[in-house]
Amino acid sequence: GNSVTQMEGPVTLSEEAFLTINCTYTATGYPSLFWYVQYPGEGLQLLLKATKADDKGSNKGFEATYRKETTSFHLEKGSVQVSDSAVYFCALLDSNYQLIWGAGTKLIIKP
Amino acid sequence: DSGVTQTPKHLITATGQRVTLRCSPRSGDLSVYWYQQSLDQGLQFLIQYYNGEERAKGNILERFSAQQFPDLHSELNLSSLELGDSALYFCASSPRDRGGTGELFFGEGSRLTVL
Repeated sequence: GNSVTQMEGPVTLSEEAFLTINCTYTATGYPSLFWYVQYPGEGLQLLLKATKADDKGSNKGFEATYRKETTSFHLEKGSVQVSDSAVYFCALLDSNYQLIWGAGTKLIIKP
Repeated sequence: DSGVTQTPKHLITATGQRVTLRCSPRSGDLSVYWYQQSLDQGLQFLIQYYNGEERAKGNILERFSAQQFPDLHSELNLSSLELGDSALYFCASSPRDRGGTGELFFGEGSRLTVL
């Protein structure tokens, strides 16, 4: 079946560090892929998405590239800020148009 | 502000009791999703409604039920509550059903504590 695997957290970085949060997936075909972010005390919100292989999604300085060869959709940011501290969820849209979610990765940025 | 409204924000109750959580979707959205977020279990999909009809079921316990009303708001009913039901319950909405884009708009959640 379809599944999404994310790197375990928490991930702790200093401000201005480079960020990578790994996400790999198992699915039939080429599903759309998503990153959602949950800031403390808030609901989830869509951060970025990619709908086909080699697409790059980007938003707020974050990027992720849909790699079908490695079935990955890693989230990256060149220079993180304290305000990026949140839980990040990777997800795919399955053939029934339901989102399959990763377990979430908590990111802590220290000043 | 996502436009999705959930009430109550916090709820404390005792084991064996029943509670109702309410969700108003974004204006114009026909689909409503319910999720449970426990401390160590990430997001668990419970159920989806589209324009009043149940469309998909996830890991929803028999003690839990939901419905979507003609005005499109939805309620999640949790009964015979157990300590393990303590969690954050999220509602999300989207404009479409099948053929959806995968973009959901989440409310801020209802935090349920069962003592």
